[in-house]
Amino acid sequence: GDSVTQTEGPVTVSESESLIINCTYSATSIAYPNLFWYVRYPGEGLQLLLKVITAGQKGSSRGFEATYNKETTSFHLQKASVQESDSAVYYCALGPDSNNRIFFGDGTQLVVKP
Amino acid sequence: AQTIHQWPVAEIKAVGSPLSLGCTIKGKSSPNLYWYWQATGGTLQQLFYSITVGQVESVVQLNLSASRPKDDQFILSTEKLLLSHSGFYLCAWSSGGINAEQFFGPGTRLTVL
Repeated sequence: GDSVTQTEGPVTVSESESLIINCTYSATSIAYPNLFWYVRYPGEGLQLLLKVITAGQKGSSRGFEATYNKETTSFHLQKASVQESDSAVYYCALGPDSNNRIFFGDGTQLVVKP
Repeated sequence: AQTIHQWPVAEIKAVGSPLSLGCTIKGKSSPNLYWYWQATGGTLQQLFYSITVGQVESVVQLNLSASRPKDDQFILSTEKLLLSHSGFYLCAWSSGGINAEQFFGPGTRLTVL
């Protein structure tokens, strides 16, 4: 089926350290899936961080980057230097299928220590 | 600018009682609308979607139902709550189209006791 697997949290890093949150996907019913990273900051709603709709392309936002790798079916989220304000829950997602469904990973809580 | 509002913010209900959760989108005509649910510690999963007024498609069966009585309103309900209904309910909208992103509301926290 269609699914997403991502790094299990919580992930704890110190401010200014680099970060990678792994995401791999399986898209059996979607020929050309879009890939997304969503983020939920404490006390706020779920919001789109970045998306990539074409394999081989990279998306970036707020210092975060993710590359759509069709060969390894991966969409890892990276940041060179995290800040305390990056503390949040990050969700990798793919879709939509023929039912307009987006498939989410379980989310990865990121804790950035000052 | 488009805004999405969900009500109530949180709800504590008894097993077997009815439930109605609401979602309203302002500033966007004819949006696609979605209901998502996330059990505590679980995966966010899509329950329903609607492309037009009066038309709702079920994606996951959870003994819940959804209706779209107006273009800007999406309602999630059940006549009899189960313990397993506890969790976080999110409403989302998109402009349609294969690459359209979904925008999420603030969510409703439901606790069934």
